[in-house]
Amino acid sequence: SQTIHQWPATLVQPVGSPLSLECTVEGTSNPNLYWYRQAAGRGLQLLFYSVGIGQISSEVPQNLSASRPQDRQFILSSKKLLLSDSGFYLCAWSYGSGGSYFGPGTRLTVT
Amino acid sequence: AQRVTQPEKLLSVFKGAPVELKCNYSYSGSPELFWYVQYSRQRLQLLLRHISRESIKGFTADLNKGETSFHLKKPFAQEEDSAMYYCALSTSQGAQKLVFGQGTRLTINP
Repeated sequence: SQTIHQWPATLVQPVGSPLSLECTVEGTSNPNLYWYRQAAGRGLQLLFYSVGIGQISSEVPQNLSASRPQDRQFILSSKKLLLSDSGFYLCAWSYGSGGSYFGPGTRLTVT
Repeated sequence: AQRVTQPEKLLSVFKGAPVELKCNYSYSGSPELFWYVQYSRQRLQLLLRHISRESIKGFTADLNKGETSFHLKKPFAQEEDSAMYYCALSTSQGAQKLVFGQGTRLTINP
């Protein structure tokens, strides 16, 4: 069966520091991968998606970037964090039209 | 622009009573609609899809294109239904780019 992992579960980082969140999927090949964010008091918003290795599409302009170095690995990064980057980050995968499957999430607090 | 609206942030009903969580969408194309649920201390998970026309855990949802709605219903609520519910719209036939509503926190009172 397919599983999706995210780490770390929680992270507290100072403003201006770099960020790297990692997501891996097991049990499937060539999935579509996604990064969503839920800011305080707001719904889930799609940040990036990828349909293949090295293929990244950004949905909103921001201080973050994403990379897909391997088929089942998706990384969310920032060179310098802002206070507004605080939130709950969710990685997800999908295959076809069967729905998206979400990881446990990372709670990021920028101080 | 695509938008999903869940008008109720909080909904509280008694066990055994009917439940309806409202969802309205705005999209000019042919939408794919989903309901996701997040139970306490668990990850967000898919509950049901409109294209499947299925009933999951007693919940059903019918897509009404005339009213642009996809309300989630259950005839008899159970305490274990207490959770956060999100309605979502997929606007792409390829990558499943989801637009989420703000969510409704459902509480079932004993």
